[in-house]
This record gives sequence, C-alpha cells and structure tokens, in this order.
Amino acid sequence: GENVEQHPSTLSVQEGDSAVIKCTYSDSASNYFPWYKQELGKRPQLIIDIRSNVGEKKDQRIAVTLNKTAKHFSLHITETQPEDSAVYFCAASRAGRRALTFGSGTRLQVQP
Amino acid sequence: DVKVTQSSRYLVKRTGEKVFLECVQDMDHENMFWYRQDPGLGLRLIYFSYDVKMKEKGDIPEGYSVSREKKERFSLILESASTNQTSMYLCASSYPARSYEQYFGPGTRLTVT
Repeated sequence: GENVEQHPSTLSVQEGDSAVIKCTYSDSASNYFPWYKQELGKRPQLIIDIRSNVGEKKDQRIAVTLNKTAKHFSLHITETQPEDSAVYFCAASRAGRRALTFGSGTRLQVQP
Repeated sequence: DVKVTQSSRYLVKRTGEKVFLECVQDMDHENMFWYRQDPGLGLRLIYFSYDVKMKEKGDIPEGYSVSREKKERFSLILESASTNQTSMYLCASSYPARSYEQYFGPGTRLTVT
C-alpha cells in the first residue's frame, strides 16, 4: 500500500519567515495530494491540494509543489504569522481509491 | 456548511468493554471514514465506507469493526476494548463527485483503563 513520509516533525520559525514542509510518497499511481491544517484542539481542515497533472499551485501565502519523478511534494508558507501555528498533515491518494494515506504531521510554531 | 458530529468528545471505558463511537454527517456524503490519531503517527485509517452497508478495511482494522446502516451515520465498534486502543478517534466524510475534500468531526478522545 501507499506510504507517506513527512519531514520535519517540528518546525519553529520567526514571524515573517518562510516555512517548508516536505513529504514523499511510495505509490507512483498516487495522483491527489492534499494538505490539512489542525489547530490545537480543533479538527483537521483542508488548506490546499494538488493533482498530479500540475506541478505547482498557489493560494495567497501558501503554495504546494509536486515532483512526480522524485515522488515528493512540499508545502510552502510565506510571510508566516502566529495564526499559522498548527499541525500540518500531507496526504496522498490514487485514482479510484477513496481513502487518503496521511503523513505523520509537522508541528509548526511561529514565534512572534 | 458541512457538519460532521461525533457522539462523544471524551469517553472512558474499561478493558474488555464493547465500545460504540458514532458519527453523523448532514450533507448526504457517500464516503465516510474512521481514523485514529496518535502523536507522531499522524492519522491512520481504520475503516471506510463508500455506501450504505459497504465497507473497506483501512490500514489498521484489527480490533475494530464498523456499521453503516444509514447513509448519514457511520459507527465504529471496539468489540473488546484494550488499553492500546486509547487514542483520539476522528470521523470524516466526503462527496467525491464534487471534490475529494474530507470533512472531519471534532474527534472522540477514548481512554481505556
């Protein structure tokens, strides 16, 4: 089955700096890669996703890049703010499979 | 707004008890999922269902079963609770014809003593 590895497990940045979280996946048939954000005590929520037919997607301060050849994808957050502090999960899924395989999560702390 | 609710936020059970966790969604979603969340392990899929009475095993189904008798309700059953099933349990739902986004419930923190 699919295996998704996520790094780093914790990340601390100064407010205004950029943050990058990386994930690798094992199943070359995976074609959908979402990122979820979970604030403390709250439920995970989708923040951005990318499909395998594009290499990059942006939404304001967040962007996701995908390298299908290397089987890795990354989340980029620019101009970080304290409200970006949360646990971020990457995930992968292949066509026809309804379920996601999640990474182990990255705890991002943005220091004011 | 999609609403996914879970029957309890906190639950304490004894070893060997049968435990029912219930999840209800109000958006006519076809797919429903049960995950457990443990520190450093992320979200691990236990079971999912893509239609009434249909189910598929996820990555860690051992010790669990599920039931989906109605489209809006998906139950997770621990036949004989054990201490290693102490965890946060999250339910989610999705409507794949519209998007792959999964909508999560608030979670149930289960402690088995």
